Amino acid sequence: DAGVIQSPRHEVTEMGQEVTLRCKPISGHDYLFWYRQTMMRGLELLIYFNNNVPIDDSGMPEDRFSAKMPNASFSTLKIQPSEPRDSAVYFCASSFNGDGTDTQYFGPGTRLTVL
Amino acid sequence: RKEVEQDPGPFNVPEGATVAFNCTYSNSASQSFFWYRQDCRKEPKLLMSVYSSGNEDGRFTAQLNRASQYISLLIRDSKLSDSATYLCVVNGANAGGTSYGKLTFGQGTILTVHP
Repeated sequence: DAGVIQSPRHEVTEMGQEVTLRCKPISGHDYLFWYRQTMMRGLELLIYFNNNVPIDDSGMPEDRFSAKMPNASFSTLKIQPSEPRDSAVYFCASSFNGDGTDTQYFGPGTRLTVL
Repeated sequence: RKEVEQDPGPFNVPEGATVAFNCTYSNSASQSFFWYRQDCRKEPKLLMSVYSSGNEDGRFTAQLNRASQYISLLIRDSKLSDSATYLCVVNGANAGGTSYGKLTFGQGTILTVHP
């Protein structure tokens, strides 16, 4: 299995630009999670999906952030407009079930730098 | 109070040493507990689940004390390859005990094992 795939691996952009991060979960996993990791705040859950439907988006910082999952094998996290404080590593993870008992498998992350 | 609190360390120990990490959590309804490991500039990976009776996996032993809302990880005979950040992870649950997929990560404890 290829594991969770994320792209791009690195993104450098200027303040005000739109940024789109992409994720392909492990086949057969019904749950997909987007996390953000910074030195100051650690690893934070932004949003998660079950069968392509957003379940909990309470971690999304503000309206500049949006996430979609148009099908079982693809999700995007979009930031528009981006700001320097959005600089972080963004991880996508997937799991078979969503009751918190199952292992979450993380992708390699996208390292975002907003200048 | 943070939902999951860990001693950030860093812990610097020689090869062969025994080291213990501690973690406390605030949601008494949480049902599932884990230790994840994160290598430098890599994604988090599950190290082991933590069960009420305590569990062991080779050199690693995890303990859970529900009454004190306390989790521990013991590493015996530490190796150079154990150098990483260890993340204490707790799942969400409501007052009725229903678990849901949101995992809360501690800030992590940094371990460096030196020759």
